[in-house]
Amino acid sequence: GAGVSQSPSNKVTEKGKDVELRCDPISGHTALYWYRQSLGQGLEFLIYFQGNSAPDKSGLPSDRFSAERTGGSVSTLTIQRTQQEDSAVYLCASSLEVGGQYFGPGTRLTVT
Amino acid sequence: GENVEQHPSTLSVQEGDSAVIKCTYSDSASNYFPWYKQELGKRPQLIIDIRSNVGEKKDQRIAVTLNKTAKHFSLHITETQPEDSAVYFCAASIQGGKLIFGQGTELSVKP
Repeated sequence: GAGVSQSPSNKVTEKGKDVELRCDPISGHTALYWYRQSLGQGLEFLIYFQGNSAPDKSGLPSDRFSAERTGGSVSTLTIQRTQQEDSAVYLCASSLEVGGQYFGPGTRLTVT
Repeated sequence: GENVEQHPSTLSVQEGDSAVIKCTYSDSASNYFPWYKQELGKRPQLIIDIRSNVGEKKDQRIAVTLNKTAKHFSLHITETQPEDSAVYFCAASIQGGKLIFGQGTELSVKP
């Protein structure tokens, strides 16, 4: 079946602009996660959604970052007033309630 | 806070040799430990995982061991091949929750 998909694959934006990144999880997966990977670095947790529970936002680096998940499926990560330090690959993953997390291809964000 | 330490940061082996990567976690409530392989420019791929009720799990040339008392877990790759070259990440979580990742190990398998 289809894996996790993300769009856009690449995004270049000017400092101060807002961006929206989209994630389509694997059909039937109840959990959706956002992570960030800076160049040559590890993976940093941002936020996750599990079914109808309140999302765990403990990894969001500032109040410029927010995410929503509509209808228990597609998720959008929004970064307002982007800064150069926001440049990274943003990875989405999904999983069943109990099971491994499967990653999408990521969105490479470059803030100029 | 939650933390996962991973060693070594780089590992170079000859084709056919074994490779071992070690991780230590801080949160004793962690009960799920996956390993990911990430090739350059690609997404992380789940290669094996282990739950806290099991001490060892094997899948062909890959095995993972878990010592809950010491809060250590390790990845073992036997008979390494050039295509095993990649960055490997360990992670820990409370099942169904966020993954806390190690810093990654760049494995190079020389033909």
